[in-house]
Amino acid sequence: DIQMTQSPSSLSASVGDRVTITCRASQSISSYLNWYQQTPGKAPKLLIYAVSSLESGVPSRVSGSGSGTDFTLTISSLQPEDFATYYCQQTYSTPYTFGQGTKLEI
Amino acid sequence: QVQLVQSGAEVKKPGASVKVSCKASGYTFTSYFMHWVRQAPGQGLEWMGVINPSGGSTSYAQKFQGRVTMTRDTSTSTVYMELSSLRSEDTAVYYCAKRSSGYYWYFDLWGRGTLVTVSS
Repeated sequence: DIQMTQSPSSLSASVGDRVTITCRASQSISSYLNWYQQTPGKAPKLLIYAVSSLESGVPSRVSGSGSGTDFTLTISSLQPEDFATYYCQQTYSTPYTFGQGTKLEI
Repeated sequence: QVQLVQSGAEVKKPGASVKVSCKASGYTFTSYFMHWVRQAPGQGLEWMGVINPSGGSTSYAQKFQGRVTMTRDTSTSTVYMELSSLRSEDTAVYYCAKRSSGYYWYFDLWGRGTLVTVSS
């Protein structure tokens, strides 16, 4: 199985800050890397697919980068609605594993 | 509109089975694989398996092999996930999630989730 390791597990930041979350795969996953945002009591919401493609409707302050095994999600100028938990996911091979999540707190 | 509507919350005793449904609408049901993902309280997301609504073929995570069965009913555009021999660790929210089209794929539509509580 491909292990997805996110860091940090939690992060405290303020409105207007720039934050970066990293995700490392235990083997190369090409560009099969997605990012989701989840708020309490809700289903995950897609933010970024294929490493760096922004899902329709997601603000441009959100961006993704990386290749192979190392990936990052960056949110520039944090807004109140960005405080949530973020998950990376690989869709390269089964089981389609997720990172353990990064909780972004005020 | 495009949506996945899941069945309601369930409370089950250890050793029992639960069957969760996910009804799709607003798109061609048989054209997109459907996945199941679960989330235990306060924990992360865990992929359980996938079903091809067209032919009914399935693939399950090793962890759930022998305990999970995914089926579909094309007449009602509904997929089902049945988990047997329930234990307390199976208490979780269970989501269905539709696979996107395209080469680098992702989950582009999620159900709201079904809470399954396993308790004696």
